[in-house]
Amino acid sequence: NAGVTQTPKFRILKIGQSMTLQCTQDMNHNYMYWYRQDPGMGLKLIYYSVGAGITDKGEVPNGYNVSRSTTEDFPLRLELAAPSQTSVYFCASPEGTEAFFGQGTRLTVV
Amino acid sequence: TQLLEQSPQFLSIQEGENLTVYCNSSSVFSSLQWYRQEPGEGPVLLVTVVTGGEVKKLKRLTFQFGDARKDSSLHITAAQPGDTGLYLCARGAGTASKLTFGTGTRLQVTL
Repeated sequence: NAGVTQTPKFRILKIGQSMTLQCTQDMNHNYMYWYRQDPGMGLKLIYYSVGAGITDKGEVPNGYNVSRSTTEDFPLRLELAAPSQTSVYFCASPEGTEAFFGQGTRLTVV
Repeated sequence: TQLLEQSPQFLSIQEGENLTVYCNSSSVFSSLQWYRQEPGEGPVLLVTVVTGGEVKKLKRLTFQFGDARKDSSLHITAAQPGDTGLYLCARGAGTASKLTFGTGTRLQVTL
């Protein structure tokens, strides 16, 4: 099992560009989450999914979109990148009360 | 939004010292998790507490859940440089809840 895999690890975007952050889990979990973490801070929930075809907003959804067409994949889309979206993005998938995290995507918008 | 406030925000201590970090909320938790995050990595679960007054030990780390299940503490005895990292409390993992994280305590242990 690879667990939770995120790609890419690093990315620099120009203002207004778009991109998709990929997240895949091979644990057959229903729940998946996307978080962003600003420097020195905790994690803020962007979107989450309770199963294929079902997504819902978290605490900070503006500027992002998600889809969940399969159990394994939960991509996060930025349509018009802004400097405020510079952050580290983590995808996570829980089992019971433990959440398993990917290694993160460090995004810089310039 | 049900906030999880952690204190202190930053803590720099020398090897061998003891420390306690706190996680507080105005609402009751059904369960609470503590995670540690090292630079460049995702958070890793340390412990889950579910019962008011519960105390769990993980080597030199002692976790306590408040009787009213609104607060929790993490005590580290004889800190070591390997304890350096960001400590996060979280609530609501798994089945029917959104996993929400606290503001974090960044710990640095120096020789």
